[in-house]
Amino acid sequence: RKEVEQDPGPFNVPEGATVAFNCTYSNSASQSFFWYRQDCRKEPKLLMSVYSSGNEDGRFTAQLNRASQYISLLIRDSKLSDSATYLCVVTYNQGGKLIFGQGTELSVKP
Amino acid sequence: DVKVTQSSRYLVKRTGEKVFLECVQDMDHENMFWYRQDPGLGLRLIYFSYDVKMKEKGDIPEGYSVSREKKERFSLILESASTNQTSMYLCASSLPPGWAQPQHFGDGTRLSIL
Repeated sequence: RKEVEQDPGPFNVPEGATVAFNCTYSNSASQSFFWYRQDCRKEPKLLMSVYSSGNEDGRFTAQLNRASQYISLLIRDSKLSDSATYLCVVTYNQGGKLIFGQGTELSVKP
Repeated sequence: DVKVTQSSRYLVKRTGEKVFLECVQDMDHENMFWYRQDPGLGLRLIYFSYDVKMKEKGDIPEGYSVSREKKERFSLILESASTNQTSMYLCASSLPPGWAQPQHFGDGTRLSIL
């Protein structure tokens, strides 16, 4: 079983749609959680950290469920520019490595 | 803004060559990382370093080595390049502690081994 699992997609949605991605992790000792965004043939960039109480940044909402060991990302009012691969990232306090999921591809269509 | 600079965007080398990939960051970050990214496999950690002259093996260190002589520079070395090392290589840096801080990535180096 992979340490971090994501639905690879692709998710094809129309502009203005709401889309949600889930990510599950296997290590209950996981301590920090992030969502990264990666555009085609570019480097990953931090989208947002995920806090225990859940957090929002504009159209993006991240949530953490420690009991079920998953995190989610909700994108409201999708824009064409949201088209990218979204990477779920988990860390735990053993060497400080980030564990990346394989990413979920999102394609927003006009 | 953090700037992580990788020496080459595209590189073509031959089997058996010794290959150096350089990475420099300008934010005085203690932590630096080398990943490779392949379709269907995601990002995999090769080596990382928490301080000058320190290095730790990641998940796939075989065939690679690293050097960190200065805080801002982290070099990845392919001792004898092979075709299965054709990949996108990404360097990243972060503040400590590594488990709590996001990483900042360079643009990546697309390496082809012929």
